[in-house]
Amino acid sequence: QKEVEQDPGPLSVPEGAIVSLNCTYSNSAFQYFMWYRQYSRKGPELLMYTYSSGNKEDGRFTAQVDKSSKYISLFIRDSQPSDSATYLCAMSFGNEKLTFGTGTRLTIIP
Amino acid sequence: DAGVIQSPRHEVTEMGQEVTLRCKPISGHDYLFWYRQTMMRGLELLIYFNNNVPIDDSGMPEDRFSAKMPNASFSTLKIQPSEPRDSAVYFCASSLGVSGGTDTQYFGPGTRLTVL
Repeated sequence: QKEVEQDPGPLSVPEGAIVSLNCTYSNSAFQYFMWYRQYSRKGPELLMYTYSSGNKEDGRFTAQVDKSSKYISLFIRDSQPSDSATYLCAMSFGNEKLTFGTGTRLTIIP
Repeated sequence: DAGVIQSPRHEVTEMGQEVTLRCKPISGHDYLFWYRQTMMRGLELLIYFNNNVPIDDSGMPEDRFSAKMPNASFSTLKIQPSEPRDSAVYFCASSLGVSGGTDTQYFGPGTRLTVL
């Protein structure tokens, strides 16, 4: 079993819809939870990070962490075609390397 | 800053040949990471350096892979001999530190390697 599991998709939704992306993990020692966005033929870029449990909001994006369920989510409100990308979750113990999910490919249909 | 620079962007080679991938990190970043991305396995950390010293190479698949960082502005990842299963996109990333999400890793554009 992988430490971090992520549904690869692909996921297609109409413009303006709310998107929900999720990851599960097995190691309860993870403390930092991140979402990276990767456009086609580009390197990943950090979108948001959360420390421990709770929610964090940044514009149209909300990251949620539920440590009791070992489950993290990224919500995108009012999705735009420019949000079409692969979204990777990543986790770390802090002061350590990142463990990535395999990524979910998202397409927003105009 | 120009960001993390990788070369070449594409590499096509034949099985058995030596391949060298190059990376220039962001100036002032103390950490440099080499990753490999495939559809099946996702993004995997191969090795990372702190102040030019290799810290963790547990992700290096086998002895055919080697990485060096002779100075703060240059690193190489070498595969010798290359095999078709090495075909992937190789990313270099750099960061100021490794404190979870507070030390953002900045990724280069990647090198797409195809081994025939």
